[in-house]
Amino acid sequence: NAGVTQTPKFQVLKTGQSMTLQCAQDMNHNSMYWYRQDPGMGLRLIYYSASEGTTDKGEVPNGYNVSRLNKREFSLRLESAAPSQTSVYFCASSDYVTSTDTQYFGPGTRLTVL
Amino acid sequence: QQQVKQSPQSLIVQKGGISIINCAYENTAFDYFPWYQQFPGKGPALLIAIRPDVSEKKEGRFTISFNKSAKQFSLHIMDSQPGDSATYFCAAIHNTDKLIFGTGTRLQVFP
Repeated sequence: NAGVTQTPKFQVLKTGQSMTLQCAQDMNHNSMYWYRQDPGMGLRLIYYSASEGTTDKGEVPNGYNVSRLNKREFSLRLESAAPSQTSVYFCASSDYVTSTDTQYFGPGTRLTVL
Repeated sequence: QQQVKQSPQSLIVQKGGISIINCAYENTAFDYFPWYQQFPGKGPALLIAIRPDVSEKKEGRFTISFNKSAKQFSLHIMDSQPGDSATYFCAAIHNTDKLIFGTGTRLQVFP
């Protein structure tokens, strides 16, 4: 049971380049999330998918797009990377989007945009 | 849009001491308050959580104290150990809304 996996672990981009962060979970969870973590800002929700086939914006969606490819996979795309998107990105999953459902996090992707 | 305020930003404690991290919230509709622990290079993981209908929850050396009238809750780590050195995030959520995280506290426990 790998839990939540993310690829790549590290990435350096130049301003304007695009890339896709991949996330997969093997816990048969319905809900998946993308967060970014910045020093002094905590974790902020970018997008989430309450169930397969649905996606919704979180707190900081600008500059990002997502795709819920199937129940297991949820990808995050940066179409034109900007230095402000330098951050650590975490994918998470939970049974459902309800209060008490624990969110399980992946190991993160450290992204630097030059 | 910081609805959960966490302090201190960093904390240094000697081994065996008590670590205390505080959080305050604004939205009285929040009905679940988890704490997450994050080790360097890893993703956060659920440590302990509490509902607002109880004033305290204890799991081993970790205790959450909850003050509903003051809209505050805190994490106490008793007999702190070097292995507890990590970043701790408080969070709050209402029903099917999204988790709102605090800004994190970096705890260092020295032998």
